[in-house]
Parts: sequence; structure tokens; C-alpha cells
Amino acid sequence: QSALTQPASMSGSPGQSITISCTGTSSDLGSYNLVSWYQQHPGKAPKLMIYEGSKRPSGVSNRFSGSKSGNTASLTISGLQADDEAEYYCCSYAGDSTLLFGGGTNLIVL
Amino acid sequence: QLQLQESGPGLVKPSETLSLTCTVSGGSISIATYYWGWVRQPPGKGLEWIASIYYRGSTYYNPSLKSRVTMSVDTPKNQFSLKLSSLTAADTAVYYCARQIIPARFDYWGQGTLVTVSS
Repeated sequence: QSALTQPASMSGSPGQSITISCTGTSSDLGSYNLVSWYQQHPGKAPKLMIYEGSKRPSGVSNRFSGSKSGNTASLTISGLQADDEAEYYCCSYAGDSTLLFGGGTNLIVL
Repeated sequence: QLQLQESGPGLVKPSETLSLTCTVSGGSISIATYYWGWVRQPPGKGLEWIASIYYRGSTYYNPSLKSRVTMSVDTPKNQFSLKLSSLTAADTAVYYCARQIIPARFDYWGQGTLVTVSS
């Protein structure tokens, strides 16, 4: 198993929209609609933002949305805010009750 | 409100075995909807899923760590544990315990505990 591929860093201005990609293979991400996304601020535990590709847990802003096409999942953040600056990780079910994380994307709000 | 708390040594010697425990409060560990898992994060690096366990004892391990990992659960104490053997400096990381909604998302996390492997 290799980690899912995410861009190392992305940036956007307040109010803009940004989309973070997460690419796997047909054996993991492409085979299941079980991608989750986590936000992590420095020194803090990760926070679940999206699950099963596009579902939002209670309490998560509707500015966060997810989608999937083929072997690639995406997290879109609209109306960027300063507090959105964080590390974002995707995670996919990879079969046989195993999980695979992406390498993380450092989002900078300019 | 569910809370998870990791406990264990902050410093372990190379080649030794790390033992960590996660204590769950505010809810039972013996619920069919959940696994209980461990995720680690080396300093400045990304997250890595280590392993998960069901309250009845079924275990699921990351294939890359499987030969060195053992998980167990103690339902009366509402705890689950991780053992990682043959430690090297590459195992230095913050170790998180988390509740996993079957099959594939973590909704509650502990605060994390830093484990350093050094002589």
C-alpha cells in the first residue's frame, strides 16, 4: 500500500474557493465510496470534515464539500476564511478493513 | 461527550516494545457500530493508520506494520491498547487513539501522545 497522493501545498485568498485533490488507485480509493477528509490545525488532533465522499458531519460548515471521480477524490472549500488555514488529509478504505491516508495538503490563506 | 485519552511512556529505547493504552470515557467501547483505532504522525509528517479493533477482539492491521503490531481490548475497563515491537527512530511520532465508525471514518480523537524512540 502506498499513501494517497495530495498536493503538498495550496493557497487562496479570503472569499475564494479552493479544491484539494486526493489520488489513489483502482484497488483502494477507486473501488469504494469511502473517502473521508480531515482538517488538522498545528498541535491539534485531526477533525472529520467529510465522510463517504461527500457527507458532512453535524456541525461542519456547508462551505466544505466533497466529491469523487474514478480514482480521485476532491475537497472543495468555498468562501475561504482565515481559520481554514490548516493541513488537510484524505483517507480511503482500502479493502480488508484497512485504511490509507494521503500525505496531507498544507492550505495557506493569503 | 465522548473522550479518549492516550497513556504510555514518552521515551522508549530502540529495539524495545512500545505499549500504549487508550481510555474511553463518556460512552461504552462495547457498541457494534464502532472500531477503535490508532493513528500516528511523525514530527512534521502526515498521518498513518496503524490498526483498529472491534470490542469483541477482531483486529485489523496496516500491512506495513502488521508484523510488529498487536492490539487488544479490555471492555470492563473501557480501554484498548497498542503494542509496537522492534522500535526504531522511524517510530518516533505522536500517537492518536480514535473512534472509528465502521467502516472508514474517525469521528472522535484523543489529544495524542508523543513517543520518542531514542537511547
